[in-house]
Amino acid sequence: AQTVTQSQPEMSVQEAETVTLSCTYDTSESNYYLFWYKQPPSRQMILVIRQEAYKQQNATENRFSVNFQKAAKSFSLKISDSQLGDTAMYFCAFATGTASKLTFGTGTRLQVTL
Amino acid sequence: DAGVIQSPRHEVTEMGQEVTLRCKPISGHDYLFWYRQTMMRGLELLIYFNNNVPIDDSGMPEDRFSAKMPNASFSTLKIQPSEPRDSAVYFCASSRSLAGARETQYFGPGTRLLVL
Repeated sequence: AQTVTQSQPEMSVQEAETVTLSCTYDTSESNYYLFWYKQPPSRQMILVIRQEAYKQQNATENRFSVNFQKAAKSFSLKISDSQLGDTAMYFCAFATGTASKLTFGTGTRLQVTL
Repeated sequence: DAGVIQSPRHEVTEMGQEVTLRCKPISGHDYLFWYRQTMMRGLELLIYFNNNVPIDDSGMPEDRFSAKMPNASFSTLKIQPSEPRDSAVYFCASSRSLAGARETQYFGPGTRLLVL
């Protein structure tokens, strides 16, 4: 079975600073996908970024980038130039290439302060 | 596209009552997922469908829960009878698959259910 671990229940960052959220996973699969979802106070689940395991290049979406370390089974999210609107719960999620369902971590609550 | 649509957004009911949650996936998406989010258990997959057929319902907590997808544009999750421990936010998500590629799941806004 696949597991996803987010070891930081809460984090805080000042506006305009950079923050990194950690995620590790465990799987015996070779073909899989990793995601970061954001859940603001509205509770809507919003995709932030995704990474295919077969791609060596780290995914980037504007201020959001990942550090994908396949051998270490690590998938951290870096948020640059943090904005107040980035305040949310962030969930790391995993899906294998042969199954459609997502396995989520327990989430990291990020607070962006002035 | 309007995204995944869920209704109602909020539901308050009394223990023992039947609850029906509704979902309209994004047009063209052939996968539909029902998740439940609680403080204690986080986000859990309850069931998912592919082309209207239930594929994996191993996450459905008990027989009080049932889900249907009568057509490609509509799904329901029913709880009968409801219990206070069913109180949670229920999300519907949809995705498409293309030749083995794993497409992103897009989530609806969720239904916040409170069973008194």
